[in-house]
Amino acid sequence: GEDVEQSLFLSVREGDSSVINCTYTDSSSTYLYWYKQEPGAGLQLLTYIFSNMDMKQDQRLTVLLNKKDKHLSLRIADTQTGDSAIYFCAERFSGGYNKLIFGAGTRLAVHP
Amino acid sequence: DAMVIQNPRYQVTQFGKPVTLSCSQTLNHNVMYWYQQKSSQAPKLLFHYYDKDFNNEADTPDNFQSRRPNTSFCFLDIRSPGLGDAAMYLCATSSATGFSNEKLFFGSGTQLSVL
Repeated sequence: GEDVEQSLFLSVREGDSSVINCTYTDSSSTYLYWYKQEPGAGLQLLTYIFSNMDMKQDQRLTVLLNKKDKHLSLRIADTQTGDSAIYFCAERFSGGYNKLIFGAGTRLAVHP
Repeated sequence: DAMVIQNPRYQVTQFGKPVTLSCSQTLNHNVMYWYQQKSSQAPKLLFHYYDKDFNNEADTPDNFQSRRPNTSFCFLDIRSPGLGDAAMYLCATSSATGFSNEKLFFGSGTQLSVL
């Protein structure tokens, strides 16, 4: 089946690291994505990882993939107030071209 | 520099009154998608166009239709909106090049209210 699960809320202090977790079900997924949604805006692609990788780093963002456990995480270093948003994990459904299955999103709140 | 544009930003309609949401793109992408996103839920794919080929998701209600008159424009028609259709509707595009990592570009969405 197709299912992506995330915790709904995370609160961190400015300057700390944030870790947002996600589990997925389609073991054939080739790509996994993190999207960011700010209030009143559409989804913006933050980063992605190919399924044969276990880590990808992009500036303050680190993506870790545990394919055995079907677990994906996004770490944001030195979290800023501008990082406050909803973060969506998505898997590329293996059964169709570029059909993405999204999680319900994790709302990240950054406080001083 | 907006690349995927959705109009209007907010739409209010009456129960049962047909409504059309529009999406345009300047990216010349051949694939366009419509997602429905209800409050605190995951965006859910309704259907997509691959060029002129329409691809409906199996669980998309018949009440939802779509038109794509040309590469740049795509419309979502809701024939008889119910209260349960109130949601954010997101349009997205991608360029199907044959590689598996085709990134989706999203518009800002249309928030639909049904009274």
